[in-house]
Amino acid sequence: KNEVEQSPQNLTAQEGEFITINCSYSVGISALHWLQQHPGGGIVSLFMLSSGKKKHGRLIATINIQEKHSSLHITASHPRDSAVYICAVPPSGGGADGLTFGKGTHLIIQP
Amino acid sequence: DSGVTQTPKHLITATGQRVTLRCSPRSGDLSVYWYQQSLDQGLQFLIQYYNGEERAKGNILERFSAQQFPDLHSELNLSSLELGDSALYFCASSSQARIGYTFGSGTRLTVV
Repeated sequence: KNEVEQSPQNLTAQEGEFITINCSYSVGISALHWLQQHPGGGIVSLFMLSSGKKKHGRLIATINIQEKHSSLHITASHPRDSAVYICAVPPSGGGADGLTFGKGTHLIIQP
Repeated sequence: DSGVTQTPKHLITATGQRVTLRCSPRSGDLSVYWYQQSLDQGLQFLIQYYNGEERAKGNILERFSAQQFPDLHSELNLSSLELGDSALYFCASSSQARIGYTFGSGTRLTVV
């Protein structure tokens, strides 16, 4: 089973700061997901990436398959970015099981 | 609206009771996944259905069962409920034609 580790667990920053959240996993995968969960509870899929870098607005996700590591960056952070960010990986070998999740990073952006 | 519909949004019930959670996947998606999110365990995979057939099982208790119907909606049945079953239950759907998962807004179950 893939072990997924996220850091930091909690992060409080000031508006405008550059944010980095890290994710490491133990077994090689085909792709990695970054999810966002707002205080209301709903989960939104931000990125699915298998190599390199993806950008959407102020969010950037990178992955290094060889090092089994991914990062999520937020540029010019804003209070509305406050949420839990979760990385998740599919089963190794491309099986039919569901995702394995990290424990999440609780991000608070203060105005 | 993500395209995945879960009902009800909130459910409060007593220990020992049985409840049914419902999920309608995004149009065209054949796979439905059920996940449980509790405070101590985080998000955990419960079970997956693909086009009506059970595809994979995760950490699903024997008291829990699920099915996917011909119209592709799915139901998760939780019985003999215990206080520890209180959690957010998410449904997600995916398809081979579309990479990625779409999550529903979840059902918050409180067992009292």
